[in-house]
Amino acid sequence: EIVLTQSPGTLSLSPGERATLSCRASQSVSRNSLAWYQQKPGQAPRLLIYDASSRATGIPDRFSGSGSGTDFSLTISRLEPEDFAVYHCQQYGSSPNTFGQGTKVEFK
Amino acid sequence: QVQLQESGPGLVKPSETLSLTCTVSGGSIGIYYWNWIRQPPGKGLEVIGYIYYSGGTKYNPSLKSRVTMSVDTSKNEFSLKLKSVTAADTAVYYCARVREGYNSDAFDIWGQGTMVTVSS
Repeated sequence: EIVLTQSPGTLSLSPGERATLSCRASQSVSRNSLAWYQQKPGQAPRLLIYDASSRATGIPDRFSGSGSGTDFSLTISRLEPEDFAVYHCQQYGSSPNTFGQGTKVEFK
Repeated sequence: QVQLQESGPGLVKPSETLSLTCTVSGGSIGIYYWNWIRQPPGKGLEVIGYIYYSGGTKYNPSLKSRVTMSVDTSKNEFSLKLKSVTAADTAVYYCARVREGYNSDAFDIWGQGTMVTVSS
């Protein structure tokens, strides 16, 4: 199965700053089939990005995804207070679908 | 809009069977693939497997020997059974819909999750 490694484990930033999160796959992700989710404490994950760079319905344009092959990233251009959360990447190009271990974006 | 709601016991004894149901409201269970995903406390997400509205299934090989999923289209719900549970199966269990009717894609709708603890 494809192992996804997210880095950093924790990102300490202030509102208004730019956040760049990384997701590296142990092998190439077929058709760039990679998604990003946001998860807040006590809540289910929320889909942000699919197919590596397509924003899900209702997601603000400060969220963007990029990458291909084995290296992907999620960028939040200017952090809003509600963006402080855990972010997960998921690949669905190979079975079984797998998730990364998550990156926590916390207040600096 | 479509909403998902998990239900089932919050406490299961070791070696017994965990049983959960996900009820789909606001839309039909038809034409979509439906997944079970779990998240142990403080850990990452793990896909357990999916079921199609017509009954076809695919399970994660790591859990395949213990998992059974079923669907009841008349009730607009689908279910998970995980047998021979241990403490390692303690987790929040989510049901989720695969987007666009594909069997493998991102999960666009999630239930709120239900915590299941395995303990005697």
